[in-house]
Amino acid sequence: QLQLQESGPGLVKPSETLSLTCSVSGGSISSNDYYWAWIRQPPGKGLEWIGSIYYSGNTYFNPSLESRVSMSLDTSKNQFSVRLTSVTAADTAVYFCARGRGGADYWGQGTLVTVSS
Amino acid sequence: AIQLTQSPSSLSASVGDRVTITCRASQGFSSALAWYQQIPGKPPKLLIYDASSLETGVPSRFSGSGSGTHFTLTISSLQPEDFATYYCQQLNSYPLTFGGGTKVEIK
Repeated sequence: QLQLQESGPGLVKPSETLSLTCSVSGGSISSNDYYWAWIRQPPGKGLEWIGSIYYSGNTYFNPSLESRVSMSLDTSKNQFSVRLTSVTAADTAVYFCARGRGGADYWGQGTLVTVSS
Repeated sequence: AIQLTQSPSSLSASVGDRVTITCRASQGFSSALAWYQQIPGKPPKLLIYDASSLETGVPSRFSGSGSGTHFTLTISSLQPEDFATYYCQQLNSYPLTFGGGTKVEIK
């Protein structure tokens, strides 16, 4: 059974960089059959797709975040990561990692990241 | 970017009711649409992919249909565990986008 687990700081200061890692167990990220994605959800609001990365290294990002976001894969650790620079309070959200193909079929439990000084 | 508009944004229904949620796209596409269910405090759960394919393990009371700019999620007989928020997502083209959500509440 595939499992995904987000990890990273729960509190980030304004203007700093948010970095999260998703550890994948029960399957390999080294497959182009799937994309690996980050999605976020501000408290009490809807879902926002941040970006997706493929094993090939191709990445796709939400245009509203594209200037501040990057994603990477670490196949040796079976992990993938997201970095979001110059954060503001508007970036406060639960961040989910997920695996997708026709839809995102496996999700992490999510991690709350609060941007505050 | 393809924008998705869900309606209604919320609804009240009783156990046993038939419920239909609509997702309208700003540009047409064939079938690359998914539906998710989210219970508070939990990650979304994939219900339907490719507009009408039922994800493994999802009860058959859930069904999806549509193409072009009009898609629907139907729950044929609402169960207590179905009270949740439902989201559509288009996977036809990047950037991927979600609808705003439909909250299904107990009447």
